[in-house]
Amino acid sequence: AQSVTQLDSHVSVSEGTPVLLRCNYSSSYSPSLFWYVQHPNKGLQLLLKYTSAATLVKGINGFEAEFKKSETSFHLTKPSAHMSDAAEYFCVVSDLDSGYALNFGKGTSLLVTP
Amino acid sequence: KAGVTQTPRYLIKTRGQQVTLSCSPISGHRSVSWYQQTPGQGLQFLFEYFSETQRNKGNFPGRFSGRQFSNSRSEMNVSTLELGDSALYLCASRGNLGQGYEQYFGPGTRLTVT
Repeated sequence: AQSVTQLDSHVSVSEGTPVLLRCNYSSSYSPSLFWYVQHPNKGLQLLLKYTSAATLVKGINGFEAEFKKSETSFHLTKPSAHMSDAAEYFCVVSDLDSGYALNFGKGTSLLVTP
Repeated sequence: KAGVTQTPRYLIKTRGQQVTLSCSPISGHRSVSWYQQTPGQGLQFLFEYFSETQRNKGNFPGRFSGRQFSNSRSEMNVSTLELGDSALYLCASRGNLGQGYEQYFGPGTRLTVT
């Protein structure tokens, strides 16, 4: 069975400081992992994806994530937060067990303060 | 290329009624998936259609059904609406089934059941 856990429901950072959103997963197969972002009253936008290629994945808007199999983690980082980064972030796992449907974490709400 | 479109964007229905939501995928995409987003349960997978056939199904009651047409457009129907069906319903499309094909989401339909 697969699962995904986002370790923080809320994260607050100051503008210009680093962002770290934590995600752990479990999967019996070789999973695909994703990070999606959802701005208020908007749909979901794909930030980045891991599908068994390079373990360090670069995404849009300066975000990146590192797949660590030994730690079953896929944490999302950004060197310097911008006010426009304030949103809900979802870590997602997909594998053969789910028929490649997306299994979403509960989400992390990122607040960026001036 | 136009993105995923969903109609209507907002809908208010009364308990016991039924509702039909529509989704038009990105041109050339043959797979359409539906997800339900609520504050309590988060984002949950409903079902996926590919070439007019349901290929995968989440853990929802039979009141939730869907179909896909030959042009890949999809509809989702919920019968005998309950208050708990109030949610944001998101549609996503991708080019094909299987691992690695990322899903692109529409803006969602906000359903309120009174």
